[in-house]
Amino acid sequence: DAGITQSPRHKVTETGTPVTLRCHQTENHRYMYWYRQDPGHGLRLIHYSYGVKDTDKGEVSDGYSVSRSKTEDFLLTLESATSSQTSVYFCAISTASGGAYNEQFFGPGTRLTVL
Amino acid sequence: ILNVEQSPQSLHVQEGDSTNFTCSFPSSNFYALHWYRWETAKSPEALFVMTLNGDEKKKGRISATLNTKEGYSYLYIKGSQPEDSATYLCASPPNDYKLSFGAGTTVTVRA
Repeated sequence: DAGITQSPRHKVTETGTPVTLRCHQTENHRYMYWYRQDPGHGLRLIHYSYGVKDTDKGEVSDGYSVSRSKTEDFLLTLESATSSQTSVYFCAISTASGGAYNEQFFGPGTRLTVL
Repeated sequence: ILNVEQSPQSLHVQEGDSTNFTCSFPSSNFYALHWYRWETAKSPEALFVMTLNGDEKKKGRISATLNTKEGYSYLYIKGSQPEDSATYLCASPPNDYKLSFGAGTTVTVRA
């Protein structure tokens, strides 16, 4: 399972509150990703990281920020949660040289509900 | 963002029958084509990563082919079993670092 954990696994929060999701890996992989799962869209990339303090936006980054101060942790923050951010969030890592040519390994997911 | 399309959106297969479905992607600036299997309440798991035109990969009863010139890949399931029921995602990288996923094909195998 590539040693990926996500916390919390489930969270219910209210509109307007900040929320931080954590992705932790144990194998020092360079590339880490945050996706959200939405019906009819498969997986959509929110942000990704290619090293400590090196991050970039994905296709649905509005309303989200990320930080990576250590190789093993990649944090996703919803600055002010909205109901449209209710989703299942997956963290993934890519081994070796990056995501294009190497398979990605996914964490167990975090189910977030924004009321 | 890369426009990756999968068809059909869903299909139902009788146990023992074979099936296949399609992933379409832009053929220009091609890096690779990924297939993932995603079972309900679990995380996606990689099946194949293919890079060369004409590539064929096989894992058990599941196989995939790749045509980079015309921009499509087929996934085949031979002799479908109930445990093959899942959503199958394809993805293609727009650059070296990230993937653009299709919406998936959900396969339901009836016993």
